[in-house]
Amino acid sequence: AQSVTQLDSHVSVSEGTPVLLRCNYSSSYSPSLFWYVQHPNKGLQLLLKYTSAATLVKGINGFEAEFKKSETSFHLTKPSAHMSDAAEYFCVVSHLISSGSARQLTFGSGTQLTVLP
Amino acid sequence: ETGVTQTPRHLVMGMTNKKSLKCEQHLGHNAMYWYKQSAKKPLELMFVYSLEERVENNSVPSRFSPECPNSSHLFLHLHTLQPEDSALYLCASSQVPTRGADEQYFGPGTRLTVT
Repeated sequence: AQSVTQLDSHVSVSEGTPVLLRCNYSSSYSPSLFWYVQHPNKGLQLLLKYTSAATLVKGINGFEAEFKKSETSFHLTKPSAHMSDAAEYFCVVSHLISSGSARQLTFGSGTQLTVLP
Repeated sequence: ETGVTQTPRHLVMGMTNKKSLKCEQHLGHNAMYWYKQSAKKPLELMFVYSLEERVENNSVPSRFSPECPNSSHLFLHLHTLQPEDSALYLCASSQVPTRGADEQYFGPGTRLTVT
């Protein structure tokens, strides 16, 4: 079975300082992994995805994540936080649905990022 | 319109009402999904339609009834709901089959309150 664990439910950083949001995954085979962001009263937006092409994945808005198989981790980072980064972030693993070709996303519980001025 | 749209954005209904949520995708995808996002719970997959055929029903109560008339539209029909059904209902779409990651694109959601 596939699962993800987001190690921090809340992270608070000052504007201009680095961001680290931690995620560990469990998967019986090489996983597809994503980070999504959700701003208040909005839907989910894809930040980046890992597809086994490269272990360091760059996403939108300056975010990146590194896939580390030995640590089963996929942590999200950004060198310098901006006020507009305040949102909830979800680490997600994707796997095939048994009955068809569609894929099921399994979401972590989310990390709420607060950016202080 | 671009992306995935959902209507209405907000809905308040009584426990005896019947209502429907609508989702439309403008991305040319062939798979659509309903998710439920409750407070303090991870997002839960409810239903999956792939090529207009339901391929997953994630143990959802029968008071929720999905309908996918074509690859661009998805409905969630609601009847005799319970207060614990109050949540944000998200629709998503993707392209299948895939050889790699299959990112899903989400709509803004419908905030449902059952009174």
